[in-house]
Amino acid sequence: EVRLVESGGGLVQPGGSLRLSCAASGFEFDGYTMHWVRQVPGKGLEWVSGISWSSGSKGYADSVRGRFTISRDNAKNSLYLQMNSLRVEDTALYYCAKDSLHNTGMDVWGQGTTVIISS
Amino acid sequence: EIVLTQSPATLSVSPGERATLSCRASQSVGSNLAWYQHKPGQAPRLLIYSASTRATGIPARFSGSGSGTEFSLTISGLQSEDFAVYYCHQHNNWLEVTFGGGTRVEMK
Repeated sequence: EVRLVESGGGLVQPGGSLRLSCAASGFEFDGYTMHWVRQVPGKGLEWVSGISWSSGSKGYADSVRGRFTISRDNAKNSLYLQMNSLRVEDTALYYCAKDSLHNTGMDVWGQGTTVIISS
Repeated sequence: EIVLTQSPATLSVSPGERATLSCRASQSVGSNLAWYQHKPGQAPRLLIYSASTRATGIPARFSGSGSGTEFSLTISGLQSEDFAVYYCHQHNNWLEVTFGGGTRVEMK
C-alpha cells in the first residue's frame, strides 16, 4: 500500500522552530518529486515547497522562502521540512504529497500534521 | 507567480445534476493543470491531470477540459459523495506550484 505519514507538528511560540517529517512506504521514494502543502483552518490549499528526486532542485513559496528548508533522505524514504522563524500565519495543517511520474499532479497525500504557532 | 482564480466560490447543485467549475490562470500554463477533490478530515484526492486526463480510479462522471488560461471541471450526474471542495493546481513549473482558491460544491 502506498502511504505517506507526517509527524513533527505541535505548538510553538512565534519565532520558534519545528521540523516536520514524512515517512513514505509502498513506492520507490527516490524516483519522485515530493512536496509540502498546507491548509490554514478555513482556507484553501497552499503549496509550501517541493524537492526533486535527487534533491538537486528545490522550490519554495514566497511566503516561506528563507525561513523553511525542504530536504529528503532517500535511504530512509523520508521527506523533511525545517521551519524556522515561525509566524502566527504559519499555523496550518501540513500535508506531505508525492508528485506523479512526470510531475503532472500530486497523486498520493498523507493525512497531515498540525502546526500551531501561538504565544 | 501564476495566479489561479476559481469560480464560483460556492456552487449549489442537486444530486443528479451537472456541475461545472471554472479555473482561470493569470498566464498560460498550457495543459499543465490538475484538479483535486477535498473533503473535511481527508487528504486531497487527485481527480484530473494534464487538464483532461482522469487519474487512476476516478469515475467517468468527472471530466476536465481547457488549455492555456481557461479550464473547467465538469461533474456529470452529481452523487452524494461528490459534495466537497475542488481545487485546481497548475504544474507548469513544479518549482513554482500554485493552487486556486477552491470551489465548494454543496447540496441544493
